[in-house]
Amino acid sequence: DVKVTQSSRYLVKRTGEKVFLECVQDMDHENMFWYRQDPGLGLRLIYFSYDVKMKEKGDIPEGYSVSREKKERFSLILESASTNQTSMYLCASSNLQGQGANGYTFGSGTRLTVV
Amino acid sequence: GESVGLHLPTLSVQEGDNSIINCAYSNSASDYFIWYKQESGKGPQFIIDIRSNMDKRQGQRVTVLLNKTVKHLSLQIAATQPGDSAVYFCADHTGSNDYKLSFGAGTTVTVRA
Repeated sequence: DVKVTQSSRYLVKRTGEKVFLECVQDMDHENMFWYRQDPGLGLRLIYFSYDVKMKEKGDIPEGYSVSREKKERFSLILESASTNQTSMYLCASSNLQGQGANGYTFGSGTRLTVV
Repeated sequence: GESVGLHLPTLSVQEGDNSIINCAYSNSASDYFIWYKQESGKGPQFIIDIRSNMDKRQGQRVTVLLNKTVKHLSLQIAATQPGDSAVYFCADHTGSNDYKLSFGAGTTVTVRA
């Protein structure tokens, strides 16, 4: 009963490529988020969205963009992949309050390697 | 930016003992806190949460303590089991309208048999 699905578990891309990471949620959540996870740094917010076609920068948006054309889908785009974007990428969705056991749900992550 | 942090990056615990994982936060406006568990190859999963108007909350084998005076949060796991081996994150948000969470760096808990 997977609720937040990330399209790829592992991805290897070349420097300079345009990379798309896809995330779909089936909980009708308003909010969606993209984080990257690096050892010793925890989860850092890249971008988030509160509504269709709406996006806000997180703490580390440089080198990334996002797209939310439908409520259930939130895409992270690396315009020109670089080696320092090698990381684990986690998508999450939340209800309006973002609280409680069902408030925030994460996908299983996409481990991206840029060579 | 990041408003929470964990005291220790790793914790080794004997099976059956109690575990205590600590977290310090810096934003006095933080009003809601969550502990997550992340097992290898999976995304973080909700363990327990606590609002800032509470000092303690208990779940099944877990207890979260909040000390607002020193901005400290802890997660206690009773009778630690091998399945408790994972990375544990604390997270908070400030109650503004955006409901973003800020995460600590994580503590890796290893349970010794």
